[in-house]
Amino acid sequence: DGGITQSPKYLFRKEGQNVTLSCEQNLNHDAMYWYRQDPGQGLRLIYYSQIVNDFQKGDIAEGYSVSREKKESFPLTVTSAQKNPTAFYLCASNSGGAGTDTQYFGPGTRLTVL
Amino acid sequence: GESVGLHLPTLSVQEGDNSIINCAYSNSASDYFIWYKQESGKGPQFIIDIRSNMDKRQGQRVTVLLNKTVKHLSLQIAATQPGDSAVYFCAESGTGSARQLTFGSGTQLTVLP
Repeated sequence: DGGITQSPKYLFRKEGQNVTLSCEQNLNHDAMYWYRQDPGQGLRLIYYSQIVNDFQKGDIAEGYSVSREKKESFPLTVTSAQKNPTAFYLCASNSGGAGTDTQYFGPGTRLTVL
Repeated sequence: GESVGLHLPTLSVQEGDNSIINCAYSNSASDYFIWYKQESGKGPQFIIDIRSNMDKRQGQRVTVLLNKTVKHLSLQIAATQPGDSAVYFCAESGTGSARQLTFGSGTQLTVLP
């Protein structure tokens, strides 16, 4: 059963804590992405990775960090430096080949700061 | 970066009617467009895509129309069903090796019984 999984589904964080959101895919995709979604808004790109051991900042990378040690995994850490982290976080992937722009999304993680 | 916008934030249609969701884009270099459906609390689901060398593409009950002259994209859903109620996003991809997508803010489609 191929796809993208994200965990946990819901996450609660106290102010000042770092938390890590998991994203795993078994689609053999090269490229992976993290987006943030706020109510009534579109998706904003946080970080993306086109290949293992390489990643790039997106439009709103401040306060976030990522790693890409394995092709299947692209975890996102929300650090205490992120001033307003409460949001819905979405991970996506695509095969990364020429002409393959379609991104496929995971089910999301809802992060709430208490 | 370039923005992708939607004309209407909400759309209500009667069950069985056709729905039309519109999207305007501003990057004339965009060459690929996607429509996604997002149900409440879930991740976006791919519906249909179209490349800039086409002006129409049909799927199952859905049709995407692209008008490059006025930079306008639309999603038509035939015989709208209750299960079609969701937020619909358009996204566009321009040139560049990263092939990033830029998303619109979405239209909430509500199907009335």
